[in-house]
Amino acid sequence: DSGVTQTPKHLITATGQRVTLRCSPRSGDLSVYWYQQSLDQGLQFLIQYYNGEERAKGNILERFSAQQFPDLHSELNLSSLELGDSALYFCASSPGSNTEAFFGQGTRLTVV
Amino acid sequence: DQQVKQNSPSLSVQEGRISILNCDYTNSMFDYFLWYKKYPAEGPTFLISISSIKDKNEDGRFTVFLNKSAKHLSLHIVPSQPGDSAVYFCAASVHEQGGKLIFGQGTELSVKP
Repeated sequence: DSGVTQTPKHLITATGQRVTLRCSPRSGDLSVYWYQQSLDQGLQFLIQYYNGEERAKGNILERFSAQQFPDLHSELNLSSLELGDSALYFCASSPGSNTEAFFGQGTRLTVV
Repeated sequence: DQQVKQNSPSLSVQEGRISILNCDYTNSMFDYFLWYKKYPAEGPTFLISISSIKDKNEDGRFTVFLNKSAKHLSLHIVPSQPGDSAVYFCAASVHEQGGKLIFGQGTELSVKP
């Protein structure tokens, strides 16, 4: 158990809908990262927050947004969903910005 | 542009022998490298890391080697055990860009009894 909690574990939704994925980092970790793993793809970095502020942005679509709350949990919002958004979404956390990150078990999103 | 590449999608090794997983990178700004192990239906688990100021880091059965001039790193597992069977990802980051990791595509290791 990495100490990073993601909910829900599975999500099935229709095209055009909006979903919210939630992540609770390890106790004391200030950095939260979101990654996407599509079929046959490696993990693609989406976005990083550090202590409530956006720190780095990767290949995150404009339809996607994220935030980190004062209690350090984070949410990833995916809207106007398309079939191609079906993927595993991982959250990771680390104490600072330059240490190894610990991953949650992921949310498997299926868009039908 | 794939900045981190794992050219072998799979590797099969006999139990007790050495497993060598390879990773190449193109961005010379990378200064921190990590290996993660992933089982199906689980998140990646951190294994071992190495800073660019070193060329070797060892932790039990796991050793990571870094060759900066060749932009190449490798993970050695000795001796390999059936429980090591998983997908292994290498990842790299640039210190001043925070902890954002760029991952390779992964190598599926199968250790046969």
